[in-house]
Amino acid sequence: SQQGEEDPQALSIQEGENATMNCSYKTSINNLQWYRQNSGRGLVHLILIRSNEREKHSGRLRVTLDTSKKSSSLLITASRAADTASYFCATPSGYALNFGKGTSLLVTP
Amino acid sequence: GAVVSQHPSRVICKSGTSVKIECRSLDFQATTMFWYRQFPKQSLMLMATSNEGSKATYEQGVEKDKFLINHASLTLSTLTVTSAHPEDSSFYICSARPGTSGAYEQYFGPGTRLTVT
Repeated sequence: SQQGEEDPQALSIQEGENATMNCSYKTSINNLQWYRQNSGRGLVHLILIRSNEREKHSGRLRVTLDTSKKSSSLLITASRAADTASYFCATPSGYALNFGKGTSLLVTP
Repeated sequence: GAVVSQHPSRVICKSGTSVKIECRSLDFQATTMFWYRQFPKQSLMLMATSNEGSKATYEQGVEKDKFLINHASLTLSTLTVTSAHPEDSSFYICSARPGTSGAYEQYFGPGTRLTVT
């Protein structure tokens, strides 16, 4: 069953702007991951944040985790057209993953 | 980095036929592989967990007789969609977990687009 819920479902911004996506989940977790999927392609792992971490950075990506609210956010700064993709949060289900519904991001030049 | 391949990348078949999709870990041994299904503009749904040398564990609602999974070696898992119907048309993605990895590490294949006519 799906664990995460992302919002917004779709986001359209211009190059250079920041994009923020949110994810909420239902049960306790020990980590949360974010993935990117270009149209019709496989998944690219972006970042993993553990339950004892509140914030993590990787290049232009910033992820936060609030375990008390069971929510996470992904911020992409200075977006580029190449960032156009769907973004999913995922939480562990045994060794598998439960994926959220995803946010479709469109970055226009 | 670790690479997972899938073959074929896309396949079109007629109703009633069976289709086999392969998932290979190219540079590592995968004790566990996972099969996901994704409908257009939707999220990935876990179908089954495949462990080398043992029977796959299917998620609730997934027909094990329709979606046959074989994990015959540490680098190969196959998903066979038997007696395919148009509603089986979907994007199938596998992932593989290295045998020596930490609990969170897994790598995804590029997916297989199945269209049943």
